[in-house]
Amino acid sequence: EAQVTQNPRYLITVTGKKLTVTCSQNMNHEYMSWYRQDPGLGLRQIYYSMNVEVTDKGDVPEGYKVSRKEKRNFPLILESPSPNQTSLYFCASSYAAYRSTDTQYFGPGTRLTVL
Amino acid sequence: KQEVTQIPAALSVPEGENLVLNCSFTDSAIYNLQWFRQDPGKGLTSLLLIQSSQREQTSGRLNASLDKSSGRSTLYIAASQPGDSATYLCAALMDSNYQLIWGAGTKLIIKP
Repeated sequence: EAQVTQNPRYLITVTGKKLTVTCSQNMNHEYMSWYRQDPGLGLRQIYYSMNVEVTDKGDVPEGYKVSRKEKRNFPLILESPSPNQTSLYFCASSYAAYRSTDTQYFGPGTRLTVL
Repeated sequence: KQEVTQIPAALSVPEGENLVLNCSFTDSAIYNLQWFRQDPGKGLTSLLLIQSSQREQTSGRLNASLDKSSGRSTLYIAASQPGDSATYLCAALMDSNYQLIWGAGTKLIIKP
């Protein structure tokens, strides 16, 4: 089954404790992206990757890191989480960002709470 | 800077009614316009994608239209059902940097 998986689905942590949210897709997609969703706001892009070893900042990259060592995986790293990073996080992938007929496939989301 | 707005933020209608969800955007330089459905705990599911050269797309009871010149898109749902209850999001893919800019969504409740 074609899918995007994220782990963990729920996470409660404390300020300053490094964490990683994993994302994996099995569709051989080139483009992967991380979003955060906060109440009353649209999804905001954190980082995206056009292909292996190619990553770039989105609209809200501060406090986050990513890596793309393999095509299928795109982990999101919070080196020193803070309460304002409490949010619902989504990973997404598509064959390529620039194809007008492409759509993005989303993971189920990770609800992160930073105390 | 592109802004995408969805009004209303919430909508409740009786089962069986036809309804329209609205999406407006400020920058017409878009590559495509996409509609998604979000169910709690299940992520987002793509519903319809309208290319910038198209006027509308249809899938079952759903019809999405796009008017780039006026910066508007609508999602029409025919004969609504309780299973249509969800949050509907629209997003514009910018042709300058291929970023998706999202609206905040319309939470739809269909009453049996």
